Amino acid sequence: GAVVSQHPSRVICKSGTSVKIECRSLDFQATTMFWYRQFPKKSLMLMATSNEGSKATYEQGVEKDKFLINHASLTLSTLTVTSAHPEDSSFYICSAREFDRGFEAFFGQGTRLTVV
Amino acid sequence: GQSLEQPSEVTAVEGAIVQINCTYQTSGFYGLSWYQQHDGGAPTFLSYNALDGLEETGRFSSFLSRSDSYGYLLLQELQMKDSASYFCAVSKDQGGKLIFGQGTELSVKP
Repeated sequence: GAVVSQHPSRVICKSGTSVKIECRSLDFQATTMFWYRQFPKKSLMLMATSNEGSKATYEQGVEKDKFLINHASLTLSTLTVTSAHPEDSSFYICSAREFDRGFEAFFGQGTRLTVV
Repeated sequence: GQSLEQPSEVTAVEGAIVQINCTYQTSGFYGLSWYQQHDGGAPTFLSYNALDGLEETGRFSSFLSRSDSYGYLLLQELQMKDSASYFCAVSKDQGGKLIFGQGTELSVKP
């Protein structure tokens, strides 16, 4: 199956700093990627749809200035958590689908963000 | 609004069969998927239904009834490694965006 790589897997940062998370499709091109957030023992909440070459589409209630998304190429999307606060601590996961190859979504390994 | 309902926890013994139900209410429906997630890991795809009926993939099967807005995941010959969280997810269109249920934590006991 297709592979999606996410980096870093864990990051600890200080309040007020920014953190960038990368999501790469390793063996296929992804014009669209998705970013999710997950709290412990909870569901995956869709944050935004990342579109290659255009602006991301954010879900209701997600601050676009807080969570900056850039999809500069067909294999890379980045999520930057700006001015991070402890309440931003969470598990962030990206996914991509290889279109015309079924409906399976491939997920990155996830990034555990801890803001101290 | 939109919602997907599934049981929060299920416990079963090795070798048994377990069914995890999912009912959904969404504005738009294209298909229902099932994903497995172990603690701290990424979700992995199990099954997908776009049409009514049963899809079988090894020990796992998934069923969909569009008229009832209902589906289920059936796990047979349970193994200890099947202990994980299972999520149903609705695709509202062909675009790939998924709306996830709250997840069912399955515990398999010896």
